[in-house]
Amino acid sequence: DTGVSQDPRHKITKRGQNVTFRCDPISEHNRLYWYRQTLGQGPEFLTYFQNEAQLEKSRLLSDRFSAERPKGSFSTLEIQRTEQGDSAMYLCASSITGELFFGEGSRLTVL
Amino acid sequence: GIQVEQSPPDLILQEGANSTLRCNFSDSVNNLQWFHQNPWGQLINLFYIPSGTKQNGRLSATTVATERYSLLYISSSQTTDSGVYFCAVRGGTSYGKLTFGQGTILTVHP
Repeated sequence: DTGVSQDPRHKITKRGQNVTFRCDPISEHNRLYWYRQTLGQGPEFLTYFQNEAQLEKSRLLSDRFSAERPKGSFSTLEIQRTEQGDSAMYLCASSITGELFFGEGSRLTVL
Repeated sequence: GIQVEQSPPDLILQEGANSTLRCNFSDSVNNLQWFHQNPWGQLINLFYIPSGTKQNGRLSATTVATERYSLLYISSSQTTDSGVYFCAVRGGTSYGKLTFGQGTILTVHP
């Protein structure tokens, strides 16, 4: 499968714990995006990388959230001290032209 | 930032019917995509259409960039067409974020 891959697909955690999601983009795609989607809403932009540089961050990305793409390939999104409001689907997308391709998402439930 | 409005918010059809979904946006765009979100949450690419008209089987899309809207046509709908349809746009000339609309929930009954 050569699509965008995300891991884990599902994560259940207790409030206050840290969680990390991984995204592997389509090979050779230099742009990588993270989005968050809550129930009944459209996806909301979190952050965007071109190669290893983080070029844009949303105000939704509070200081508890951090994203990295250390070698310009895979990316991680870490949420520290999770809150119940962090429960959502976290979506990753990649592109090399203008068109974005999304992974299957990582669903987070914070108890 | 750019605003995206989709209509209708909900649409219920009988199998075999045709439908039109609309996406209005507030500024010029260099990217417009239509997605279908499957029951497991994955966004499936339908069209990359910043301007013009494209067709793919029973689906077609038209974007009139100068008038800031796009239309997604579904003909001879099937129950498998059910789900949420999203329009997403990128304004300006950058490769930055796509901004999504709130989606249209389509239900097709047999």
